[in-house]
Amino acid sequence: DGGITQSPKYLFRKEGQNVTLSCEQNLNHDAMYWYRQDPGQGLRLIYYSQIVNDFQKGDIAEGYSVSREKKESFPLTVTSAQKNPTAFYLCASISGIENYGYTFGSGTRLTVV
Amino acid sequence: GQQVMQIPQYQHVQEGEDFTTYCNSSTTLSNIQWYKQRPGGHPVFLIQLVKSGEVKKQKRLTFQSGEAKKNSSLHITATQTTDVGTYFCAAITGGGNKLTFGTGTQLKVEL
Repeated sequence: DGGITQSPKYLFRKEGQNVTLSCEQNLNHDAMYWYRQDPGQGLRLIYYSQIVNDFQKGDIAEGYSVSREKKESFPLTVTSAQKNPTAFYLCASISGIENYGYTFGSGTRLTVV
Repeated sequence: GQQVMQIPQYQHVQEGEDFTTYCNSSTTLSNIQWYKQRPGGHPVFLIQLVKSGEVKKQKRLTFQSGEAKKNSSLHITATQTTDVGTYFCAAITGGGNKLTFGTGTQLKVEL
């Protein structure tokens, strides 16, 4: 079945560490997105990529970095510069041809310990 | 950036009652989309409204966009426990098909 796979499901980070969240899709979608969700809140855009080797900052990019070396993969690194990283991170994708809505992965819950 | 507000933030209903959530913006909303997120889950796409004054139905769910495309609503008739979750509206902002999400309405259905 086609879909988006995010791993790990749960991640614990120590203060000062960088961590990388994985996002892989086999939908052949061109565009991919990373959102952050805090408890009881909406989703806020961190980074997005419309094609391979190209990506743009979203509304809250500070403290995060991404890469898009393959169409299928869009990993997100949460750096030590992100002061409040505890959140639920969601990866999404859409076809670049017709927008029928985002397909989301099941998310990664990141906690700073 | 564009802000999309939703009301109410929370809603508790008895099973069988109706439920409505409203989505509002000070600017025109392009390609209004609705998503449902079950507790502990991820958002799932429900529907997209493109035209002003558009009405679409999915079984007990009715989606509507305003004439000026600055607001939208989702109405659920005769709620069931399976309707529990948070409902988000979203709209495309700028290039790259970026979605700005509303603040969400959390629905709880009691037997």
